[in-house]
Amino acid sequence: GEDVEQSLFLSVREGDSSVINCTYTDSSSTYLYWYKQEPGAGLQLLTYIFSNMDMKQDQRLTVLLNKKDKHLSLRIADTQTGDSAIYFCAGAAGGGNKLTFGTGTQLKVEL
Amino acid sequence: DAGITQSPRYKITETGRQVTLMCHQTWSHSYMFWYRQDLGHGLRLIYYSAAADITDKGEVPDGYVVSRSKTENFPLTLESATRSQTSVYFCASRETGLNTEAFFGQGTRLTVV
Repeated sequence: GEDVEQSLFLSVREGDSSVINCTYTDSSSTYLYWYKQEPGAGLQLLTYIFSNMDMKQDQRLTVLLNKKDKHLSLRIADTQTGDSAIYFCAGAAGGGNKLTFGTGTQLKVEL
Repeated sequence: DAGITQSPRYKITETGRQVTLMCHQTWSHSYMFWYRQDLGHGLRLIYYSAAADITDKGEVPDGYVVSRSKTENFPLTLESATRSQTSVYFCASRETGLNTEAFFGQGTRLTVV
């Protein structure tokens, strides 16, 4: 199965960039995902990247994929207090439908 | 209302009791999942279902039972609750396909005392 690891906490100042990192073990995931969880809520899909891509940009979000090192990152430009949440990376081993999530990174944005 | 709903939102139960958490989705998605969220472990998959009457174990299935007699419902039962099952439980659904989004319910916070 897939193992997905993330650092647990990240603190940044409002207006700075945030970079959330993720490492995974199974390189057969066809897509890799970033989900956001706000307090007291379920997870919502933020963005995803196809495994054949190195980078994907979506407004303030940039996803970088290093397949050789099995490393995925999410960069949030101009981080705002509303970005404070837990961020999860996820993949589906073997390109299947069963998503495996990382441990989650709690992002705290300070004024 | 369209979407995926879980009930109850909060539940306190005693050790040894049977508890059922409900999950209902209105999209007729093929796949449904149950995850538990614990600090330091992220989301761990308990059980999932690819279609009605098809279920399979995830990473942490012990102590849980699921059924899926109808596409839209996927209840999770704790047969004899233990304190280690205190957690936040999330149900999710997803249509078949490699890049389809998984939609999550609001979660059920279960406390076993």
